[in-house]
Amino acid sequence: DIQMTQSPSSLSASVGDRVTITCRASQSVSGYLNWYQQRPGKAPNLLIYTASSLQSGVPSRFSGSGSGTDFTLTISSLQPEDFATYYCQQSYTTPRTFGQGTKVEIK
Amino acid sequence: QVQLVQSGSELKKPGASVKVSCKASGYTFTSYALNWVRQAPGQGLEWMGWINTNTGNPTYAQGFTGRFVFSLDTSVSTAYLQIRSLEAEDTAVYYCARGETSGCDYWGQGTLVAVSS
Repeated sequence: DIQMTQSPSSLSASVGDRVTITCRASQSVSGYLNWYQQRPGKAPNLLIYTASSLQSGVPSRFSGSGSGTDFTLTISSLQPEDFATYYCQQSYTTPRTFGQGTKVEIK
Repeated sequence: QVQLVQSGSELKKPGASVKVSCKASGYTFTSYALNWVRQAPGQGLEWMGWINTNTGNPTYAQGFTGRFVFSLDTSVSTAYLQIRSLEAEDTAVYYCARGETSGCDYWGQGTLVAVSS
């Protein structure tokens, strides 16, 4: 199975900050890497698919990059509604493994 | 609009079975795979597997073989997750989610399955 490792596991940031979360795969997943946001008590929400494509309806402050084994999710200017947990997931092969999550908290 | 609506919370005793439903609307049911994802209390997301809504063929992740069964009723655009011989460790929120290689773009609201004697 492909292992997905996110860093950091948590971070504290202020409104307006630029935030970067990384995701590393244990082997190449080509460009098949997706990012989700999950707020407490809610279902996950797809933000970015295939590494860098912005899902419809998602604000443009979210962006994704990378290929192969190393990927990044960037929030250009953190907004109050962005405080949540973020997960990467590879969809290159089954099982479609998730990272362990990165919790973004208010500083 | 696309919706996945799941059945309500369940409280079960160890050894019992449970069947969670996921009813799709707003799109052609057989055009997209259906995934199942587990989230234990306070934990991350765990991909359980998926079912091909065209063929009915399920694929299970390791750790979800044997007691877990994915099925469909395409006549009512509904997918099902059955868990047999429930254990306390099965206590979790279970999500269905539509999608394949481009990620899961629509999710059900989640179904809490609590297992307790």
